Amino acid sequence: DTGVSQDPRHKITKRGQNVTFRCDPISEHNRLYWYRQTLGQGPEFLTYFQNEAQLEKSRLLSDRFSAERPKGSFSTLEIQRTEQGDSAMYLCASRGGRGLGETQYFGPGTRLLVL
Amino acid sequence: AQSVTQLGSHVSVSEGALVLLRCNYSSSVPPYLFWYVQYPNQGLQLLLKYTSAATLVKGINGFEAEFKKSETSFHLTKPSAHMSDAAEYFCAVSDQDFGNEKLTFGTGTRLTIIP
Repeated sequence: DTGVSQDPRHKITKRGQNVTFRCDPISEHNRLYWYRQTLGQGPEFLTYFQNEAQLEKSRLLSDRFSAERPKGSFSTLEIQRTEQGDSAMYLCASRGGRGLGETQYFGPGTRLLVL
Repeated sequence: AQSVTQLGSHVSVSEGALVLLRCNYSSSVPPYLFWYVQYPNQGLQLLLKYTSAATLVKGINGFEAEFKKSETSFHLTKPSAHMSDAAEYFCAVSDQDFGNEKLTFGTGTRLTIIP
């Protein structure tokens, strides 16, 4: 168990540029989540995958955001035409098992700063 | 929809004193509740969780929490604070209604330990 990893850890970009983040979940975890955390707030749910299927998207996920998990393993989160309001920590989590109440394991996050 | 309220965005305690971090939840179904800790510039680490078994839950680093249905509370305690406990703590409730169990977090409590 090597834990959830995210890349990059930090990203600085200019407004209007596109950025892509990667998340590698714990191996064999079939469920993967993306959350966004702004300064002084708790994480907020963005989207959820079960294997390769994206099953839910939050209203926070505007059309500029897209997430994929092509082979049911790693996932990418892309933000197009970034805005200053996109500046936040983007957290990925994964969980396994089929039962209720299984633990979500979080990665270290990608901190995005849009100038 | 589920929600959690954390009373007190900042809590300061002396080293060796009792730590009490408050969390109240709102849920239309029996809740699954979690406490996570976040150190600066890191992801979230699970401290403990309640999944309808014992109401007194013991976690890592000497923390415990008690589920009280009558008070809709899940407060986090530790008998004796240590300097290494300084961090941000998040209470979360799991959304069971739609099967994906996304987490809804509170706004967090920053714990400061006074030497």
